[in-house]
Amino acid sequence: AQSVTQPDIHITVSEGASLELRCNYSYGATPYLFWYVQSPGQGLQLLLKYFSGDTLVQGIKGFEAEFKRSQSSFNLRKPSVHWSDAAEYFCAALKAAGNKLTFGGGTRVLVKP
Amino acid sequence: NAGVTQTPKFQVLKTGQSMTLQCAQDMNHNSMYWYRQDPGMGLRLIYYSASEGTTDKGEVPNGYNVSRLNKREFSLRLESAAPSQTSVYFCASSVRDGYEETQYFGPGTRLLVL
Repeated sequence: AQSVTQPDIHITVSEGASLELRCNYSYGATPYLFWYVQSPGQGLQLLLKYFSGDTLVQGIKGFEAEFKRSQSSFNLRKPSVHWSDAAEYFCAALKAAGNKLTFGGGTRVLVKP
Repeated sequence: NAGVTQTPKFQVLKTGQSMTLQCAQDMNHNSMYWYRQDPGMGLRLIYYSASEGTTDKGEVPNGYNVSRLNKREFSLRLESAAPSQTSVYFCASSVRDGYEETQYFGPGTRLLVL
């Protein structure tokens, strides 16, 4: 069965420190991959997406993600977090030419001053 | 350009009551979706509509019905609400560029069933 796993439920990071959120997928073929962010009480905002090509993808708000086929991973990174990055982050996958997004369980990020 | 809008933002229902969640998009997208979000489970697809006039079941369709009223609007109906349907409901629409599809989400409807 197709699945997306985010191993970390919670992450606490100090403001100014780097952040890496893990995402692993299990699909028959490489899916399209997405990261969304959800601020408290808000909807989901698309941070970045990977369809093909360059495996390092730049997104909004200073985030980037790296696709690694050999590890079935699509980890999200930010070099220096800001207090406003405190939110829940969701990794999602879409089968190529499909229309059903599969979401991971989410990682909640807390930023310490 | 409001994107994807949802009404209401919040709703409290008693067990057995019915209600309809409304969703509209102004981006001329063909496909629309309803998800529910529960703690630790991410978002799960309830129903989707690949185009006007079509609807299909997702991962968790039981207890729900949908209507794709026109290209802009996609509603979700709970005929007889149950406490297990307490959740946050998100509507999304998507644009396809060749084989690449991206979904955009509304702000959500928070539903409490007592």
